[in-house]
Amino acid sequence: DQQVKQNSPSLSVQEGRISILNCDYTNSMFDYFLWYKKYPAEGPTFLISISSIKDKNEDGRFTVFLNKSAKHLSLHIVPSQPGDSAVYFCAASPNNAGNMLTFGGGTRLMVKP
Amino acid sequence: SAVISQKPSRDICQRGTSLTIQCQVDSQVTMMFWYRQQPGQSLTLIATANQGSEATYESGFVIDKFPISRPNLTFSTLTVSNMSPEDSSIYLCSVFGTGIGANVLTFGAGSRLTVL
Repeated sequence: DQQVKQNSPSLSVQEGRISILNCDYTNSMFDYFLWYKKYPAEGPTFLISISSIKDKNEDGRFTVFLNKSAKHLSLHIVPSQPGDSAVYFCAASPNNAGNMLTFGGGTRLMVKP
Repeated sequence: SAVISQKPSRDICQRGTSLTIQCQVDSQVTMMFWYRQQPGQSLTLIATANQGSEATYESGFVIDKFPISRPNLTFSTLTVSNMSPEDSSIYLCSVFGTGIGANVLTFGAGSRLTVL
């Protein structure tokens, strides 16, 4: 039973355009959501998070949107840069401590120059 | 945030053997976490390693297969025992960050194991 799903295994975007990565979850107990970015041969690095009391969190070029009723969140990257090419993991937790994370399967983003 | 070093970074192992992965953190942390990422799959929590007590294993993972040591607040090991090709994965150590990243997990670079 996959509680966190990223239905697009890959996404290709032109440099300068918007990248939109999607994530769906089924467990209504999740109230804290994170995005991690992973380059080859490196561990995942934290990118941005959002609590369930918010519907949007922005950090520079990265914005995460949360739709609790639809159990859906998305990561927007604007403008996309070639250095953003990586695998992006969505993760969810039933508490605000950031542990007990359940990860999605990841989406490989390729930003073409 | 914390700096995590894992050894080995990669290894090729024979079926039936065991391998121990080491995780060193540059600061003292209460909890350390071991994750597994099988090929093309998501990250799955194996266990939580607490200093001074037995590790807590997630459903589907057992101590006999994945024994964990936590001798102090900066170090932990994960052993993958009696390996089979299904154990071919990236194994990642993680801790909570510090400062502004205090409530997010920081990961090591991972140990990529290939079992033949």
